[in-house]
Amino acid sequence: SAVISQKPSRDICQRGTSLTIQCQVDSQVTMMFWYRQQPGQSLTLIATANQGSEATYESGFVIDKFPISRPNLTFSTLTVSNLSPEDSSIYLCSAGGGQDEKLFFGSGTQLSVL
Amino acid sequence: KQEVTQIPAALSVPEGENLVLNCSFTDSAIYNLQWFRQDPGKGLTSLLLIQSSQREQTSGRLNASLDKSSGRSTLYIAASQPGDSATYLCALTSGTYKYIFGTGTRLKVLA
Repeated sequence: SAVISQKPSRDICQRGTSLTIQCQVDSQVTMMFWYRQQPGQSLTLIATANQGSEATYESGFVIDKFPISRPNLTFSTLTVSNLSPEDSSIYLCSAGGGQDEKLFFGSGTQLSVL
Repeated sequence: KQEVTQIPAALSVPEGENLVLNCSFTDSAIYNLQWFRQDPGKGLTSLLLIQSSQREQTSGRLNASLDKSSGRSTLYIAASQPGDSATYLCALTSGTYKYIFGTGTRLKVLA
Protein backbone atom coordinates (compact mmCIF):
# COMPACT_ATOMS: atom_id res chain seq x y z
CA SER A 1 0.00 0.00 0.00
CA ALA A 2 0.98 3.65 -0.25
CA VAL A 3 0.36 6.57 2.06
CA ILE A 4 -0.07 9.87 0.24
CA SER A 5 0.35 13.27 1.87
CA GLN A 6 -1.21 16.18 0.06
CA LYS A 7 -1.05 19.85 0.94
CA PRO A 8 -2.58 22.28 1.39
CA SER A 9 -5.79 20.61 2.51
CA ARG A 10 -7.78 23.68 1.57
CA ASP A 11 -7.24 27.18 0.28
CA ILE A 12 -9.21 30.24 -0.70
CA CYS A 13 -7.66 32.12 -3.60
CA GLN A 14 -8.34 35.29 -5.52
CA ARG A 15 -9.29 35.28 -9.16
CA GLY A 16 -6.25 35.48 -11.46
CA THR A 17 -3.77 33.98 -9.00
CA SER A 18 -2.32 30.46 -8.98
CA LEU A 19 -2.23 27.63 -6.46
CA THR A 20 0.37 24.89 -6.28
CA ILE A 21 -0.57 21.60 -4.64
CA GLN A 22 2.06 19.18 -3.40
CA CYS A 23 1.81 15.41 -3.24
CA GLN A 24 4.28 13.17 -1.41
CA VAL A 25 4.10 9.36 -1.44
CA ASP A 26 5.77 7.31 1.27
CA SER A 27 7.17 4.74 -1.14
CA GLN A 28 8.37 4.62 -4.70
CA VAL A 29 5.44 4.25 -7.05
CA THR A 30 5.28 3.79 -10.77
CA MET A 31 2.23 5.88 -11.47
CA MET A 32 1.01 9.21 -10.13
CA PHE A 33 -2.14 10.99 -11.23
CA TRP A 34 -4.07 14.20 -10.62
CA TYR A 35 -7.87 14.25 -10.51
CA ARG A 36 -10.45 17.00 -10.20
CA GLN A 37 -13.79 16.65 -8.47
CA GLN A 38 -16.17 19.51 -9.15
CA PRO A 39 -18.97 20.19 -6.66
CA GLY A 40 -21.50 17.37 -6.68
CA GLN A 41 -19.63 15.53 -9.43
CA SER A 42 -17.49 12.46 -9.66
CA LEU A 43 -13.76 12.37 -10.34
CA THR A 44 -12.22 13.40 -13.64
CA LEU A 45 -8.62 12.57 -14.52
CA ILE A 46 -6.57 15.68 -15.30
CA ALA A 47 -3.25 14.08 -16.16
CA THR A 48 -0.70 11.39 -15.50
CA ALA A 49 2.44 12.79 -13.88
CA ASN A 50 5.52 11.31 -15.56
CA GLN A 51 8.83 11.25 -13.76
CA GLY A 52 11.33 13.61 -15.34
CA SER A 53 9.21 14.43 -18.36
CA GLU A 54 6.07 16.28 -19.36
CA ALA A 55 2.78 15.06 -17.95
CA THR A 56 0.23 13.32 -20.14
CA TYR A 57 -2.97 15.36 -20.18
CA GLU A 58 -6.51 14.14 -20.74
CA SER A 59 -8.83 15.72 -23.23
CA GLY A 60 -9.98 19.13 -22.03
CA PHE A 61 -6.95 19.81 -19.84
CA VAL A 62 -3.88 21.75 -21.00
CA ILE A 63 -0.41 22.29 -19.63
CA ASP A 64 -0.69 26.08 -19.52
CA LYS A 65 -3.62 25.86 -17.12
CA PHE A 66 -2.48 22.81 -15.12
CA PRO A 67 1.32 22.57 -15.14
CA ILE A 68 2.53 19.41 -13.39
CA SER A 69 5.96 18.41 -12.19
CA ARG A 70 7.28 15.06 -11.01
CA PRO A 71 11.00 15.33 -10.28
CA ASN A 72 11.26 11.87 -8.69
CA LEU A 73 9.25 8.71 -8.02
CA THR A 74 7.65 9.95 -4.79
CA PHE A 75 6.79 13.64 -5.32
CA SER A 76 4.60 15.64 -7.67
CA THR A 77 3.05 19.10 -7.84
CA LEU A 78 -0.02 20.41 -9.63
CA THR A 79 -0.41 24.13 -10.26
CA VAL A 80 -3.81 25.55 -11.14
CA SER A 81 -3.08 28.79 -12.98
CA ASN A 82 -5.02 31.96 -13.66
CA LEU A 83 -7.75 30.95 -11.26
CA SER A 84 -11.42 31.60 -11.91
CA PRO A 85 -14.46 30.66 -9.81
CA GLU A 86 -15.02 27.71 -12.18
CA ASP A 87 -11.79 26.17 -10.81
CA SER A 88 -13.37 25.75 -7.38
CA SER A 89 -13.12 21.99 -6.85
CA ILE A 90 -11.41 19.30 -4.88
CA TYR A 91 -8.08 18.33 -6.42
CA LEU A 92 -6.83 14.84 -5.66
CA CYS A 93 -3.45 13.21 -6.03
CA SER A 94 -3.36 9.45 -6.51
CA ALA A 95 -0.70 6.82 -6.98
CA GLY A 96 -0.30 3.16 -7.81
CA GLY A 97 2.24 0.70 -9.06
CA GLY A 98 1.27 -2.86 -8.44
CA GLN A 99 0.23 -5.37 -11.05
CA ASP A 100 -3.30 -5.17 -9.70
CA GLU A 101 -3.37 -1.45 -10.59
CA LYS A 102 -4.78 -0.55 -7.20
CA LEU A 103 -5.16 3.21 -6.72
CA PHE A 104 -4.42 5.11 -3.54
CA PHE A 105 -5.49 8.68 -2.89
CA GLY A 106 -4.31 11.65 -0.90
CA SER A 107 -6.66 13.56 1.36
CA GLY A 108 -7.45 16.12 -1.31
CA THR A 109 -7.17 19.90 -1.63
CA GLN A 110 -10.40 21.85 -1.47
CA LEU A 111 -9.95 25.01 -3.54
CA SER A 112 -12.35 27.94 -3.44
CA VAL A 113 -11.83 30.84 -5.85
CA LEU A 114 -13.40 34.20 -5.06
CA LYS B 1 -17.26 4.33 -24.38
CA GLN B 2 -17.42 2.95 -20.85
CA GLU B 3 -20.10 4.44 -18.62
CA VAL B 4 -20.42 3.79 -14.91
CA THR B 5 -23.69 4.36 -13.07
CA GLN B 6 -24.44 4.13 -9.38
CA ILE B 7 -27.98 3.84 -8.12
CA PRO B 8 -29.36 5.08 -5.82
CA ALA B 9 -27.66 8.47 -5.68
CA ALA B 10 -28.54 8.75 -1.99
CA LEU B 11 -29.66 6.31 0.66
CA SER B 12 -30.72 6.72 4.26
CA VAL B 13 -31.04 3.67 6.53
CA PRO B 14 -31.41 2.98 10.26
CA GLU B 15 -28.41 1.67 12.15
CA GLY B 16 -27.97 -2.09 12.05
CA GLU B 17 -29.51 -2.61 8.64
CA ASN B 18 -27.75 -4.63 5.95
CA LEU B 19 -27.56 -2.77 2.66
CA VAL B 20 -26.46 -3.12 -0.94
CA LEU B 21 -24.97 -0.44 -3.15
CA ASN B 22 -25.06 -0.95 -6.89
CA CYS B 23 -22.60 -0.12 -9.67
CA SER B 24 -23.41 -0.75 -13.33
CA PHE B 25 -21.08 -0.49 -16.30
CA THR B 26 -21.60 -0.75 -20.03
CA ASP B 27 -18.41 -2.46 -21.24
CA SER B 28 -17.50 -5.82 -19.70
CA ALA B 29 -13.87 -5.63 -20.85
CA ILE B 30 -12.50 -4.48 -17.51
CA TYR B 31 -9.19 -5.16 -15.78
CA ASN B 32 -10.38 -4.49 -12.27
CA LEU B 33 -12.96 -2.63 -10.22
CA GLN B 34 -12.41 -0.75 -6.97
CA TRP B 35 -14.84 0.49 -4.36
CA PHE B 36 -13.89 3.66 -2.49
CA ARG B 37 -15.26 5.62 0.42
CA GLN B 38 -15.18 9.42 0.47
CA ASP B 39 -15.98 11.58 3.48
CA PRO B 40 -17.20 15.14 2.78
CA GLY B 41 -14.47 17.38 1.37
CA LYS B 42 -11.87 14.64 1.71
CA GLY B 43 -9.91 12.19 -0.40
CA LEU B 44 -10.82 8.61 -1.25
CA THR B 45 -10.13 5.54 0.85
CA SER B 46 -9.82 2.26 -1.02
CA LEU B 47 -12.19 -0.37 0.38
CA LEU B 48 -12.00 -3.35 -1.94
CA LEU B 49 -10.46 -4.22 -5.29
CA ILE B 50 -11.83 -7.01 -7.46
CA GLN B 51 -9.76 -8.21 -10.36
CA SER B 52 -11.55 -9.26 -13.55
CA SER B 53 -10.91 -12.95 -12.84
CA GLN B 54 -12.50 -12.73 -9.38
CA ARG B 55 -16.15 -12.89 -8.38
CA GLU B 56 -15.99 -11.27 -4.96
CA GLN B 57 -13.81 -9.82 -2.23
CA THR B 58 -14.48 -9.43 1.48
CA SER B 59 -13.09 -7.16 4.17
CA GLY B 60 -14.71 -7.15 7.57
CA ARG B 61 -18.36 -6.13 7.18
CA LEU B 62 -17.88 -5.34 3.51
CA ASN B 63 -18.35 -7.70 0.59
CA ALA B 64 -18.00 -6.69 -3.04
CA SER B 65 -19.10 -8.84 -5.95
CA LEU B 66 -18.47 -8.59 -9.66
CA ASP B 67 -20.54 -9.96 -12.53
CA LYS B 68 -18.94 -8.87 -15.76
CA SER B 69 -21.50 -10.59 -17.99
CA SER B 70 -24.31 -8.47 -16.56
CA GLY B 71 -22.16 -5.35 -16.12
CA ARG B 72 -22.74 -5.12 -12.39
CA SER B 73 -20.89 -4.87 -9.12
CA THR B 74 -22.45 -4.67 -5.68
CA LEU B 75 -21.05 -3.54 -2.35
CA TYR B 76 -22.74 -5.23 0.59
CA ILE B 77 -22.43 -3.59 4.01
CA ALA B 78 -23.48 -5.71 6.95
CA ALA B 79 -24.84 -4.32 10.21
CA SER B 80 -24.46 -0.68 9.16
CA GLN B 81 -23.19 1.89 11.67
CA PRO B 82 -23.36 5.70 11.77
CA GLY B 83 -19.62 5.73 11.04
CA ASP B 84 -20.37 4.17 7.66
CA SER B 85 -22.02 7.41 6.56
CA ALA B 86 -20.08 8.63 3.54
CA THR B 87 -20.18 8.65 -0.25
CA TYR B 88 -19.28 5.32 -1.86
CA LEU B 89 -17.73 5.36 -5.31
CA CYS B 90 -17.01 2.54 -7.69
CA ALA B 91 -14.33 2.88 -10.32
CA LEU B 92 -13.08 0.54 -12.99
CA THR B 93 -10.29 0.31 -15.49
CA SER B 94 -9.69 -1.64 -18.67
CA GLY B 95 -5.99 -1.45 -17.93
CA THR B 96 -3.13 1.10 -17.81
CA TYR B 97 -4.76 2.82 -14.83
CA LYS B 98 -7.39 4.57 -16.94
CA TYR B 99 -10.03 4.54 -14.23
CA ILE B 100 -13.58 5.70 -14.83
CA PHE B 101 -15.52 6.68 -11.75
CA GLY B 102 -19.21 6.41 -10.98
CA THR B 103 -21.07 9.36 -9.55
CA GLY B 104 -21.36 7.74 -6.14
CA THR B 105 -24.01 6.79 -3.60
CA ARG B 106 -24.34 9.10 -0.61
CA LEU B 107 -25.10 6.92 2.40
CA LYS B 108 -26.46 8.13 5.71
CA VAL B 109 -26.84 5.67 8.58
CA LEU B 110 -29.15 6.97 11.29
CA ALA B 111 -28.42 6.24 14.95
